[in-house]
Amino acid sequence: DGGITQSPKYLFRKEGQNVTLSCEQNLNHDAMYWYRQDPGQGLRLIYYSQIVNDFQKGDIAEGYSVSREKKESFPLTVTSAQKNPTAFYLCASGVAGVDTQYFGPGTRLTVL
Amino acid sequence: GESVGLHLPTLSVQEGDNSIINCAYSNSASDYFIWYKQESGKGPQFIIDIRSNMDKRQGQRVTVLLNKTVKHLSLQIAATQPGDSAVYFCAENFPRAGGYQKVTFGTGTKLQVIP
Repeated sequence: DGGITQSPKYLFRKEGQNVTLSCEQNLNHDAMYWYRQDPGQGLRLIYYSQIVNDFQKGDIAEGYSVSREKKESFPLTVTSAQKNPTAFYLCASGVAGVDTQYFGPGTRLTVL
Repeated sequence: GESVGLHLPTLSVQEGDNSIINCAYSNSASDYFIWYKQESGKGPQFIIDIRSNMDKRQGQRVTVLLNKTVKHLSLQIAATQPGDSAVYFCAENFPRAGGYQKVTFGTGTKLQVIP
């Protein structure tokens, strides 16, 4: 059963803590992406990776970090430097050079 | 600047009627457009796409129309069903250096189907 998965579905964090969101895909896609979704706004790109061991900052990378050690995995760390981390986080993947992105189910992060 | 927007934030449609969701884009260099459907608490789901060399593309119960002259995109859903209730996003892609396609997403239109 191919697809893209994110875990956990809900995540709570205390202020000042780092937290890592998981994203895994078994679609053999080279490219992976992280987006943030806030009410009333379109998706905003945090980071993207077109190939293993390489990634680029998106439009709102400050306070976030990523790694791409494996083709299947693209974890996102929300650091304590992110001033307003409460949001719905979406991971996507796609074939590099091809436009369509396929999304995971999302992780809702709430900072207490 | 670059932007993708929707004319109506909420659209209410009677079950069985056709729905039309609109989107305006501002970047004339955009060459690929996608419509996504997002149900509450879930990730966006690909519905249909269209390239800039086309004016119309049809899928199952859905049709996307592209008017490059006025930079307008629409999604038509035939015989709208309760399961169509969701937020619909348009997205535009335009090529950038390095082969990466920059994607800009609209804020979304909420479609409410009245039984």
